[in-house]
Amino acid sequence: DTEVTQTPKHLVMGMTNKKSLKCEQHMGHRAMYWYKQKAKKPPELMFVYSYEKLSINESVPSRFSPECPNSSLLNLHLHALQPEDSALYLCASSHEGTNSPLHFGNGTRLTVT
Amino acid sequence: GEDVEQSLFLSVREGDSSVINCTYTDSSSTYLYWYKQEPGAGLQLLTYIFSNMDMKQDQRLTVLLNKKDKHLSLRIADTQTGDSAIYFCAEMEDSGYALNFGKGTSLLVTP
Repeated sequence: DTEVTQTPKHLVMGMTNKKSLKCEQHMGHRAMYWYKQKAKKPPELMFVYSYEKLSINESVPSRFSPECPNSSLLNLHLHALQPEDSALYLCASSHEGTNSPLHFGNGTRLTVT
Repeated sequence: GEDVEQSLFLSVREGDSSVINCTYTDSSSTYLYWYKQEPGAGLQLLTYIFSNMDMKQDQRLTVLLNKKDKHLSLRIADTQTGDSAIYFCAEMEDSGYALNFGKGTSLLVTP
């Protein structure tokens, strides 16, 4: 069982839809992450939040909009996505302090039609 | 980021030992990690090793680190069919936050 919970598990959306992915952790971690993983590839970093502030944005298109309402929650708002954005979106968290191991959720499988 | 290299595929028989190898290039890496990903699931942190260690053992898992050669290995003793998964080696990037993953080794355990 993972201590990082992601919802929904699966999401199908059209290119004109607006949807949100949600992530929650109760381990007291102060850093939270969004990764994108395409099939048979390693995860790629999208965003890092540290103490609820965006600290890293890996040049992600603006159709992906992260939000960290509090230290336990992380959202990813999606709008006007493209079919090539279909992927597994993974949330992770870690203790503040560099080199702390990341703990991942089970991901949201997103399909854009 | 720096390249982390892994062999892509490994097949072993149930009960045998599996050894998954990884090479990394960033000599300043302080921690190195092994993650397991089962089909349709997220990444599970298996173990990690601090760069001043040579070896770390945790039940069936043994991690060996050769810092001079920048080589990391994961040995799974008495491999079971439930160990079939993709195993990712990862090092921490210079930012101290982001992980730089290898391409993953797909382990197949046959009865």
